[in-house]
Amino acid sequence: LAKTTQPISMDSYEGQEVNITCSHNNIATNDYITWYQQFPSQGPRFIIQGYKTKVTNEVASLFIPADRKSSTLSLPRVSLSDTAVYYCLVGAAGGFKTIFGAGTRLFVKA
Amino acid sequence: EPEVTQTPSHQVTQMGQEVILRCVPISNHLYFYWYRQILGQKVEFLVSFYNNEISEKSEIFDDQFSVERPDGSNFTLKIRSTKLEDSAMYFCASSEVTVRNTGELFFGEGSRLTVL
Repeated sequence: LAKTTQPISMDSYEGQEVNITCSHNNIATNDYITWYQQFPSQGPRFIIQGYKTKVTNEVASLFIPADRKSSTLSLPRVSLSDTAVYYCLVGAAGGFKTIFGAGTRLFVKA
Repeated sequence: EPEVTQTPSHQVTQMGQEVILRCVPISNHLYFYWYRQILGQKVEFLVSFYNNEISEKSEIFDDQFSVERPDGSNFTLKIRSTKLEDSAMYFCASSEVTVRNTGELFFGEGSRLTVL
């Protein structure tokens, strides 16, 4: 499974756009990139998944360059409630084993 | 919206006791998982389950642990003889198998286990 590297923590202010970048140099051809969000004392929640280029949903955008060795989760206009840990995962879609890294702790300030 | 439900939300037990954590996955999902998260640490994979057997397990999932799908709805994690270091939040998750499987995991709210 491809290892991922993310910043340990990030700070932002309400209303700003936040970009969290994840490095996955050893990504395999059939690997997808998935991001989860976790609030304290809750289970992780799926945010977005992509394979290449750009994916957008109602919550976030995911930018993946052509070499797929990194990806950037973009959260538009964050609010205080976006304070959470964000995990970048890389693996085959539908695989039996999804491994979480340490994640990025995002603090959104007023 | 369908959700994964877990019981109990919190269980306190004495070291050496057996504990069973219960999960009801989303009804049309076929893959099931247990993860755990020790306070302040990352989410750790324990085991995945498909077609009534374990698909994959981590080194954490030793002989003390077992999983079962006793009926068509429940998915349980049993810890035979709990140790202090088993204190953690245990998350159940499920995923749907379709032609366009995205691999999205749906997590429950967790069961907090405290071993004294």
